[in-house]
Amino acid sequence: DIQMTQSPSSLSASVGDRVTITCRANQRISDYLNWYQQKPGKAPKLLIYAASTLQTGVPSRFSGSGSGTDFTLTIRGLQPEDFATYYCQQSYSTPSLTFGGGTKVEMK
Amino acid sequence: QLQLQESGPGLVKPSKTLSLTCSVSGDSINSRTYYWAWIRQPPGKGLEWIGSLYYSGNTNYNPSLKSRVTISVDTSKNQFSLELSSVTAADTAVYYCARDSRSAADNFYYYYMDVWGEGTTVTVSS
Repeated sequence: DIQMTQSPSSLSASVGDRVTITCRANQRISDYLNWYQQKPGKAPKLLIYAASTLQTGVPSRFSGSGSGTDFTLTIRGLQPEDFATYYCQQSYSTPSLTFGGGTKVEMK
Repeated sequence: QLQLQESGPGLVKPSKTLSLTCSVSGDSINSRTYYWAWIRQPPGKGLEWIGSLYYSGNTNYNPSLKSRVTISVDTSKNQFSLELSSVTAADTAVYYCARDSRSAADNFYYYYMDVWGEGTTVTVSS
């Protein structure tokens, strides 16, 4: 099974900061990696698929990179609405899927 | 506009079977383009994929739940369903249904869950 590990599990940041979240797979998954944002009480929202492709309507301050086993989600110029939990998810073994454990971005 | 809506009992007794339905509106579930998935999230924890269904009825399940899970489709009602048997308190969670869509690139596809239901809370308790 493909396991996904995110780091850190939580971080504190201020509005305007650059935030970086890392996701690592336990085997190579090419660029079959998606990122989601989840706010409390809400369903997850797709941000990025194929490691770096921005979903329609997602602000350009979000970006994704990586291939193989190591991936990064970057938020440039953190906005108040970006405080949320972020999850990575591998789609290499679709339809069998796995998520990372999540990274909570909190206000400093 | 595609919408997904979960429905089912909010309280299930231990050892019984949890049954949920996801109603799809705005598109046909009978499409070769998508998988249809169930995901859950225990209180205060992360997301766990339960299983996925193809329109043909083919299914894939999380190995950790496989012995207890059945996902089925009713194309006449544009719905798909989840059954989880022998539930315990550990199955208490918000249950989401989602569309696993795809984007073509050369000779392969990228899959991603682009539409989600709002989720339904299921509590396992006597």
